[in-house]
Amino acid sequence: EPEVTQTPSHQVTQMGQEVILRCVPISNHLYFYWYRQILGQKVEFLVSFYNNEISEKSEIFDDQFSVERPDGSNFTLKIRSTKLEDSAMYFCASSFERYEQYFGPGTRLTVT
Amino acid sequence: QQQVKQSPQSLIVQKGGISIINCAYENTAFDYFPWYQQFPGKGPALLIAIRPDVSEKKEGRFTISFNKSAKQFSLHIMDSQPGDSATYFCAARTAIAGNNRKLIWGLGTSLAVNP
Repeated sequence: EPEVTQTPSHQVTQMGQEVILRCVPISNHLYFYWYRQILGQKVEFLVSFYNNEISEKSEIFDDQFSVERPDGSNFTLKIRSTKLEDSAMYFCASSFERYEQYFGPGTRLTVT
Repeated sequence: QQQVKQSPQSLIVQKGGISIINCAYENTAFDYFPWYQQFPGKGPALLIAIRPDVSEKKEGRFTISFNKSAKQFSLHIMDSQPGDSATYFCAARTAIAGNNRKLIWGLGTSLAVNP
């Protein structure tokens, strides 16, 4: 069964460093998303991406964040200058059409 | 208006019992209501979902009941098993025109099914 994959599973970085989180969505899906989940809290929407552009972003997704689909299969989230409060699980999701979103296993980002 | 309120925060059920988790919303523009199951260290997995044109949807032991007038929906897990022990999230999506498909999430319910 096709699934969303994410790498790395755990990323430790120092405050102020840049990180890139990678995702491979399900191959025929058209819509891509990033969400994050701070430990023990609810899942929060970050950004959605369709037709090679951002379709919506939350107030969390400020100028420090960017997304890219560099090669037609990968979907990346870049955080330019990480802060302590960026520590969270980051989930990539994809969907073929309007509804069912399928999530990857997540990347645990720890900023020290 | 963009909130989804979920209760209870935690739930303990005996094996074979019925687990019931409730969610309520305010935004009448929501048009899709999924439930996700999340095991520790894993991503949320889509469990079952409903659209507001039906009042109930059943898949195996999992049933969503939807009350449009009350703006509430609930997940019922029949014959609960220890393997069902996980965190359950309800979510909702707005039917805004264009390509906005973000999910608004509840806070989650930690379910423990005792053997």
